[in-house]
Amino acid sequence: EAQVTQNPRYLITVTGKKLTVTCSQNMNHEYMSWYRQDPGLGLRQIYYSMNVEVTDKGDVPEGYKVSRKEKRNFPLILESPSPNQTSLYFCASSSLATGVDTQYFGPGTRLTVL
Amino acid sequence: AQKITQTQPGMFVQEKEAVTLDCTYDTSDQSYGLFWYKQPSSGEMIFLIYQGSYDEQNATEGRYSLNFQKARKSANLVISASQLGDSAMYFCAMREGLSNSGYALNFGKGTSLLVTP
Repeated sequence: EAQVTQNPRYLITVTGKKLTVTCSQNMNHEYMSWYRQDPGLGLRQIYYSMNVEVTDKGDVPEGYKVSRKEKRNFPLILESPSPNQTSLYFCASSSLATGVDTQYFGPGTRLTVL
Repeated sequence: AQKITQTQPGMFVQEKEAVTLDCTYDTSDQSYGLFWYKQPSSGEMIFLIYQGSYDEQNATEGRYSLNFQKARKSANLVISASQLGDSAMYFCAMREGLSNSGYALNFGKGTSLLVTP
Protein backbone atom coordinates (compact mmCIF):
# COMPACT_ATOMS: atom_id res chain seq x y z
CA GLU A 1 0.00 0.00 0.00
CA ALA A 2 1.33 3.43 -1.00
CA GLN A 3 1.78 5.49 2.12
CA VAL A 4 3.70 8.02 4.14
CA THR A 5 4.46 6.92 7.68
CA GLN A 6 5.52 9.01 10.64
CA ASN A 7 6.81 8.01 14.04
CA PRO A 8 5.99 8.62 16.74
CA ARG A 9 2.36 9.61 16.36
CA TYR A 10 2.26 11.24 19.78
CA LEU A 11 5.10 12.61 21.84
CA ILE A 12 5.29 14.55 25.07
CA THR A 13 8.74 15.82 25.93
CA VAL A 14 10.49 18.49 27.96
CA THR A 15 12.25 21.64 26.91
CA GLY A 16 15.74 21.06 25.58
CA LYS A 17 15.61 17.30 25.09
CA LYS A 18 16.62 16.50 21.54
CA LEU A 19 14.11 14.51 19.52
CA THR A 20 13.65 13.14 16.02
CA VAL A 21 10.42 12.54 14.18
CA THR A 22 10.85 10.04 11.39
CA CYS A 23 9.11 10.13 8.03
CA SER A 24 9.21 7.43 5.39
CA GLN A 25 7.46 6.99 2.06
CA ASN A 26 7.27 3.95 -0.20
CA MET A 27 6.24 5.68 -3.41
CA ASN A 28 9.72 6.56 -4.68
CA HIS A 29 8.81 10.23 -4.49
CA GLU A 30 11.54 12.78 -5.05
CA TYR A 31 9.91 15.57 -3.09
CA MET A 32 9.36 15.47 0.66
CA SER A 33 8.31 18.18 3.01
CA TRP A 34 7.52 18.93 6.65
CA TYR A 35 4.64 21.13 7.78
CA ARG A 36 3.37 22.21 11.14
CA GLN A 37 -0.26 22.92 11.83
CA ASP A 38 -1.34 25.37 14.51
CA PRO A 39 -4.84 26.59 15.35
CA GLY A 40 -5.77 29.68 13.37
CA LEU A 41 -2.57 29.54 11.33
CA GLY A 42 -3.24 26.59 9.07
CA LEU A 43 -0.32 24.54 7.75
CA ARG A 44 3.08 26.12 7.31
CA GLN A 45 6.08 24.58 5.66
CA ILE A 46 9.17 23.97 7.78
CA TYR A 47 11.64 22.34 5.36
CA TYR A 48 11.47 20.54 2.08
CA SER A 49 13.69 18.32 -0.03
CA MET A 50 13.73 17.97 -3.78
CA ASN A 51 15.86 14.81 -3.69
CA VAL A 52 18.59 13.01 -1.79
CA GLU A 53 21.03 15.45 -0.18
CA VAL A 54 18.97 18.43 -1.42
CA THR A 55 17.09 20.30 1.30
CA ASP A 56 15.88 23.85 1.72
CA LYS A 57 14.09 26.03 4.23
CA GLY A 58 10.38 26.64 4.15
CA ASP A 59 8.50 29.43 5.89
CA VAL A 60 9.22 28.49 9.51
CA PRO A 61 12.56 26.64 9.71
CA GLU A 62 13.89 28.12 12.98
CA GLY A 63 14.55 25.47 15.61
CA TYR A 64 14.42 22.55 13.18
CA LYS A 65 16.87 20.50 11.18
CA VAL A 66 16.34 17.90 8.48
CA SER A 67 18.41 15.46 6.49
CA ARG A 68 17.81 13.44 3.33
CA LYS A 69 20.36 10.66 3.13
CA GLU A 70 17.98 8.21 1.48
CA LYS A 71 15.17 8.88 -0.94
CA ARG A 72 12.50 7.29 1.22
CA ASN A 73 13.36 8.95 4.56
CA PHE A 74 13.17 12.56 5.68
CA PRO A 75 13.56 12.91 9.46
CA LEU A 76 12.76 16.11 11.32
CA ILE A 77 15.14 16.94 14.15
CA LEU A 78 14.47 19.27 17.05
CA GLU A 79 17.86 19.82 18.68
CA SER A 80 16.52 21.77 21.65
CA PRO A 81 12.72 21.77 21.64
CA SER A 82 10.83 24.66 23.18
CA PRO A 83 7.16 25.00 24.16
CA ASN A 84 6.42 27.09 21.06
CA GLN A 85 7.18 24.00 19.00
CA THR A 86 4.17 22.26 20.45
CA SER A 87 2.18 21.51 17.32
CA LEU A 88 0.82 18.92 14.94
CA TYR A 89 3.47 17.96 12.40
CA PHE A 90 2.90 16.49 8.99
CA CYS A 91 5.30 14.94 6.56
CA ALA A 92 4.28 14.93 2.91
CA SER A 93 5.71 13.57 -0.31
CA SER A 94 5.05 13.90 -4.00
CA SER A 95 6.45 12.96 -7.35
CA LEU A 96 8.13 15.69 -9.35
CA ALA A 97 6.94 14.23 -12.64
CA THR A 98 5.10 16.92 -14.53
CA GLY A 99 1.41 16.89 -13.81
CA VAL A 100 1.70 14.41 -10.97
CA ASP A 101 2.41 16.58 -7.99
CA THR A 102 -0.29 15.80 -5.49
CA GLN A 103 1.26 15.84 -2.04
CA TYR A 104 0.38 12.85 0.09
CA PHE A 105 0.47 13.37 3.82
CA GLY A 106 1.50 11.17 6.67
CA PRO A 107 -0.86 10.63 9.61
CA GLY A 108 0.65 13.43 11.66
CA THR A 109 2.71 13.62 14.85
CA ARG A 110 1.24 15.47 17.78
CA LEU A 111 4.12 16.96 19.76
CA THR A 112 3.84 18.58 23.18
CA VAL A 113 6.88 20.31 24.65
CA LEU A 114 6.57 21.06 28.36
CA ALA B 1 -0.47 38.68 1.92
CA GLN B 2 -2.69 35.67 2.23
CA LYS B 3 -2.46 33.57 -0.89
CA ILE B 4 -5.42 31.35 -0.11
CA THR B 5 -8.57 32.72 1.47
CA GLN B 6 -11.35 30.60 2.86
CA THR B 7 -14.00 32.99 4.11
CA GLN B 8 -16.25 30.44 5.81
CA PRO B 9 -14.88 29.36 9.18
CA GLY B 10 -17.82 27.00 9.66
CA MET B 11 -20.64 25.56 7.59
CA PHE B 12 -23.66 23.41 8.29
CA VAL B 13 -25.39 21.22 5.75
CA GLN B 14 -28.13 18.68 6.03
CA GLU B 15 -27.44 15.11 5.04
CA LYS B 16 -28.00 14.41 1.32
CA GLU B 17 -27.85 18.10 0.43
CA ALA B 18 -25.07 19.66 -1.65
CA VAL B 19 -22.66 22.18 -0.14
CA THR B 20 -20.13 24.60 -1.60
CA LEU B 21 -16.98 25.54 0.26
CA ASP B 22 -15.41 28.77 -0.96
CA CYS B 23 -11.79 29.34 -1.83
CA THR B 24 -10.14 32.29 -3.50
CA TYR B 25 -6.47 32.50 -4.34
CA ASP B 26 -3.90 35.09 -5.22
CA THR B 27 -1.04 34.45 -7.61
CA SER B 28 0.67 36.13 -10.53
CA ASP B 29 1.96 32.82 -11.89
CA GLN B 30 0.40 31.44 -15.03
CA SER B 31 1.08 27.89 -13.96
CA TYR B 32 -0.26 26.73 -10.63
CA GLY B 33 -2.23 23.94 -9.05
CA LEU B 34 -5.15 24.00 -6.65
CA PHE B 35 -5.91 21.27 -4.16
CA TRP B 36 -8.52 20.42 -1.59
CA TYR B 37 -7.77 18.34 1.46
CA LYS B 38 -10.07 16.94 4.13
CA GLN B 39 -8.99 16.68 7.74
CA PRO B 40 -11.35 14.63 9.92
CA SER B 41 -11.22 14.81 13.69
CA SER B 42 -8.66 12.01 13.69
CA GLY B 43 -6.19 14.50 12.22
CA GLU B 44 -4.94 13.00 8.98
CA MET B 45 -4.88 15.05 5.79
CA ILE B 46 -6.74 13.36 2.97
CA PHE B 47 -6.30 14.52 -0.60
CA LEU B 48 -9.64 15.09 -2.33
CA ILE B 49 -9.24 16.81 -5.67
CA TYR B 50 -6.80 18.70 -7.88
CA GLN B 51 -7.21 21.39 -10.55
CA GLY B 52 -4.38 22.59 -12.74
CA SER B 53 -4.39 26.16 -13.96
CA TYR B 54 -4.39 25.04 -17.57
CA ASP B 55 -7.14 22.47 -17.15
CA GLU B 56 -10.12 23.60 -19.16
CA GLN B 57 -12.65 21.38 -17.47
CA ASN B 58 -13.57 21.44 -13.82
CA ALA B 59 -12.11 18.54 -11.89
CA THR B 60 -14.44 15.89 -10.49
CA GLU B 61 -13.79 12.98 -8.15
CA GLY B 62 -16.88 11.06 -7.18
CA ARG B 63 -19.06 13.34 -5.04
CA TYR B 64 -16.45 16.09 -5.13
CA SER B 65 -16.17 18.66 -7.86
CA LEU B 66 -14.12 21.80 -8.11
CA ASN B 67 -15.79 24.89 -9.51
CA PHE B 68 -12.80 26.61 -11.09
CA GLN B 69 -13.32 30.22 -12.16
CA LYS B 70 -9.94 31.41 -13.31
CA ALA B 71 -10.85 35.03 -13.99
CA ARG B 72 -12.28 35.35 -10.50
CA LYS B 73 -9.41 33.34 -9.00
CA SER B 74 -11.79 31.06 -7.20
CA ALA B 75 -11.69 27.31 -6.72
CA ASN B 76 -14.74 26.31 -4.76
CA LEU B 77 -15.28 22.73 -3.63
CA VAL B 78 -18.72 21.29 -4.19
CA ILE B 79 -19.73 18.21 -2.24
CA SER B 80 -22.88 16.60 -3.56
CA ALA B 81 -25.19 14.38 -1.50
CA SER B 82 -23.48 15.13 1.81
CA GLN B 83 -22.92 12.27 4.23
CA LEU B 84 -22.37 12.33 7.97
CA GLY B 85 -18.80 11.18 7.35
CA ASP B 86 -18.13 14.39 5.43
CA SER B 87 -18.04 16.31 8.71
CA ALA B 88 -14.45 17.56 8.89
CA MET B 89 -12.16 20.51 8.28
CA TYR B 90 -11.55 21.27 4.62
CA PHE B 91 -8.46 23.01 3.39
CA CYS B 92 -7.88 24.67 0.07
CA ALA B 93 -4.23 24.82 -1.04
CA MET B 94 -2.23 26.18 -3.95
CA ARG B 95 1.08 25.24 -5.51
CA GLU B 96 2.59 28.07 -7.52
CA GLY B 97 4.83 27.43 -10.49
CA LEU B 98 5.36 24.29 -12.50
CA SER B 99 4.29 20.95 -11.11
CA ASN B 100 7.86 19.65 -11.09
CA SER B 101 9.14 22.57 -9.09
CA GLY B 102 8.35 21.05 -5.73
CA TYR B 103 7.20 24.31 -4.24
CA ALA B 104 5.34 24.36 -0.95
CA LEU B 105 1.62 24.21 -0.78
CA ASN B 106 0.08 27.41 0.54
CA PHE B 107 -2.89 26.48 2.67
CA GLY B 108 -5.98 28.41 3.61
CA LYS B 109 -7.12 28.43 7.22
CA GLY B 110 -9.83 25.92 6.57
CA THR B 111 -13.59 25.56 6.73
CA SER B 112 -15.21 23.35 9.33
CA LEU B 113 -18.13 21.45 7.82
CA LEU B 114 -20.77 19.81 9.96
CA VAL B 115 -23.27 17.51 8.29
CA THR B 116 -26.47 17.11 10.27
CA PRO B 117 -28.99 14.25 10.02
